[in-house]
Amino acid sequence: GQNIDQPTEMTATEGAIVQINCTYQTSGFNGLFWYQQHAGEAPTFLSYNVLDGLEEKGRFSSFLSRSKGYSYLLLKELQMKDSASYLCAVVASNYQLIWGAGTKLIIKP
Amino acid sequence: NAGVTQTPKFRVLKTGQSMTLQCAQDMNHEYMYWYRQDPGMGLRLIHYSVGAGITDQGEVPNGYNVSRLKKQNFLLGLESAAPSQTSVYFCASGREESYNEQFFGPGTRLTVL
Repeated sequence: GQNIDQPTEMTATEGAIVQINCTYQTSGFNGLFWYQQHAGEAPTFLSYNVLDGLEEKGRFSSFLSRSKGYSYLLLKELQMKDSASYLCAVVASNYQLIWGAGTKLIIKP
Repeated sequence: NAGVTQTPKFRVLKTGQSMTLQCAQDMNHEYMYWYRQDPGMGLRLIHYSVGAGITDQGEVPNGYNVSRLKKQNFLLGLESAAPSQTSVYFCASGREESYNEQFFGPGTRLTVL
């Protein structure tokens, strides 16, 4: 079967750093996406990894290890507006996206 | 550019009623998708289309039908709504298969009583 695991909820403090993990077992692998979804809104693209290593984009970074079936999203200098759900999605062998249930991130002042 | 738009935003149906959810994109994307999102679960693919007139089933197609007569429009139909179809429905579009970044509409919140 195909499975993507993320923590259900995490809490962090404004100004701090948080790492959201994603582990996956899928039929094939053609890349991994991270999306952000604010409550009541549509998911929006954050990052894409297809090769092992770290991709940095401003305050957000995403890491991939294909051999371990593992990725993480790193958020630095947390702001209140970062309170949202973060969705991990793997591009499977048929190029469809397999989605995790999402991690709800709560930022406290 | 409006991106991906969906209508309606909210709808309440009674069991057995039918309705069509509409989706339009102005980005000239070939690929379009219909997902449902339920609490505690990831987005699940209902149907998708790789071009005008070409559709295929996703993970959870039962109870739904789709139509894509024009490249920019993708319709999702519920012929006989059931309470299990209460969900938030998202339409998405993408420009290519190999790099499958998808752009989402604002969603339709559907309640079936």
